[in-house]
Amino acid sequence: EVQLVESGGGLVQPGGSLRLSCAASGFIFSNSEMNWVRQAPGKGLEWVSYISATGNTIYYADSVKGRFTLSRDNAKNSLYLQMNSLRAEDTAVYYCAGRHWTGGVIVGLADYWGQGTLVTVSS
Amino acid sequence: EIVLTQSPGTLSLSPGERATLSCRASQSISNNYLAWYQQKPGQSPRLLMYDASTRATGIPDRFSGSGSGTDFTLTISRLEPDDFAVYYCQQYIISPGTFGQGTKVEIK
Repeated sequence: EVQLVESGGGLVQPGGSLRLSCAASGFIFSNSEMNWVRQAPGKGLEWVSYISATGNTIYYADSVKGRFTLSRDNAKNSLYLQMNSLRAEDTAVYYCAGRHWTGGVIVGLADYWGQGTLVTVSS
Repeated sequence: EIVLTQSPGTLSLSPGERATLSCRASQSISNNYLAWYQQKPGQSPRLLMYDASTRATGIPDRFSGSGSGTDFTLTISRLEPDDFAVYYCQQYIISPGTFGQGTKVEIK
């Protein structure tokens, strides 16, 4: 069974940092493209960041570029999102999402989704 | 950045009726790299369609996708109670992988 389990969310003050983790199981993580997608309370979906199966290609949404860093550890079947300089507008449920790599670079498409972890940025 | 505009914002229908959801892109989407997701309250999104018209694994055939270029459509042939949810389109031809703002399909 495919599983993505996010952790690391919580309450943080504006300007603070958090590191989200996503533990993968039930599929070949090292051959999967991965993304983070977020959803502010009562709002729609917003793609945040993408990493290729090898980790060589990474993209960010303009709203987080320069503040968030995406990485992966294929040996540990894990995905990470380091979030710095957090703002109130970063408050959202953050979903880890991915798909089996079939060639090329497919940014954002995902058929595996975690349950999400809530990040609240507030003083 | 490709902007996706979904219409209508809300669709009020009865079970058994046909639902037609629209997604319009600000520029042409090559290879029809357009997906549709379903999201129910308190749940993660679920992939329904990719490449505009290919059903994801386990998706019933009452869901169909069509379109090309800048205009895409998700059709649910006969709504079942489990289909009332919010639907999002997403393009994945270029970064950022933008989503539409969503269409809520509610029970009339």
